[in-house]
Order: sequence, then C-alpha cells, then structure tokens
Amino acid sequence: DAGVIQSPRHEVTEMGQEVTLRCKLISGHNSLFWYRQTMMRGLELLIYFNNNVPIDDSGMPEDRFSAKMPNASFSTLKIQPSEPRDSAVYFCASSFGVRQTEAFFGQGTRLTVV
Amino acid sequence: ELKVEQNPLFLSMQEGKNYTIYCNYSTTSDRLYWYRQDPGKSLESLFVLLSNGAVKQEGRLMASLDTKARLSTLHITAAVHDLSATYFCAAAGGTSYGKLTFGQGTILTVHP
Repeated sequence: DAGVIQSPRHEVTEMGQEVTLRCKLISGHNSLFWYRQTMMRGLELLIYFNNNVPIDDSGMPEDRFSAKMPNASFSTLKIQPSEPRDSAVYFCASSFGVRQTEAFFGQGTRLTVV
Repeated sequence: ELKVEQNPLFLSMQEGKNYTIYCNYSTTSDRLYWYRQDPGKSLESLFVLLSNGAVKQEGRLMASLDTKARLSTLHITAAVHDLSATYFCAAAGGTSYGKLTFGQGTILTVHP
C-alpha cells in the first residue's frame, strides 16, 4: 500500500485566494484526521471523520475552513479566503476505527500564504 | 480539556548515553502514542500503549505507560546519531473520543 497520500506537497498562494488540500486514505481505513502543525501551536487536530461523517470539527479555526469526504477514500480541506496566518504544514492521517489503534500520517502539505 | 506536556523540550545527548523523555497528561486517557518526526518529514508511529503498565521496546527505544500517574516515558538506551529527531507523545480521550492531543515535542540531538 502506498500509504496516506497528500497533494500538493507544497502550495504558495496569495492572500484571499482559495486553497484546496487533498488526502487519499489507506485502503480499508475508515477514519480520517486533518492536523495542522506550526511552530507556535504545535500539532492541532482540525477535524476528524469516521465512515465519511464528521465527528468532531471543534478544531476548525474559522468558517473559512471546510472539510469534506466525498467518498470513503478521499478528503479535501478547503480554505477560502486564505490568510497569511494559515501558513502551516497540514497533515492528514488515517486509521481503521476511531479508536486509532494506529494512525498513519501523510507526508503533509506545506502551505505558504503571502 | 485534555492537556499533554512533555519534558524536556530540548535534549542534547552524547552517543552512548541513556536518557528519558517524560510525557504527562491531565485527564484520563486510555491510549498513549509516541511518534517520531524528522525535519521536514511526516510523523512516524513508534509505539501505541493501551493499558496501565504497558511496556514496548524497539531497538534502543522503550516506552512505558502508568495510567494512574498519567505518565508515559520514552527511554533511550545508548543513543546513536540516527536517533536525532523530534519525538511527540499524544494522548487520546478527553471530551472527544477519537481526538489525539499532542505534546509540544522533544527535539533530540545526539552528538558524537
């Protein structure tokens, strides 16, 4: 299995633009987690899904952020409009089950908003 | 709200020495994870600890969990340069069942 696949790996965009980050889960996994990593705040959980249903989105910082799972193997995280403070590395992780006996992380998307 | 604190945050070690990283968490958690992150890379799962008294070992790393003390340790034995990385612990539980709360991370540098 190729593992959790994120795209793009790097994204540079101008403030105000829409950004879409993508994540493909490991085959057979049914839980999906989006994390954000910054120097100031460390690793923060933004949202997680189980069986395509959002379970906890309390970490989503603002209405500018939205996440979807259009099918069981794919998720998107959208920021519209983007702001410089959104600059971070965004990771998705997948596991089988919500109890996360083991969660596997993707390589991350490094987002820079200028 | 579940909080996770690691110490030390920075650790500079000589090769061959032993040391321990501590991870304290604030409320009941039934799962504790250790991850490794190399600079610019993703997080690699090292250990998953699921019960009080659990101990797991892989190479020069050994992790343990004391749920009564709300403490997990990552012990490094005879450090080598290849262990240089950032180590995170994460606890699951609190008000949101599937949520992992991460510690700040410990930046480990092993010197010759």
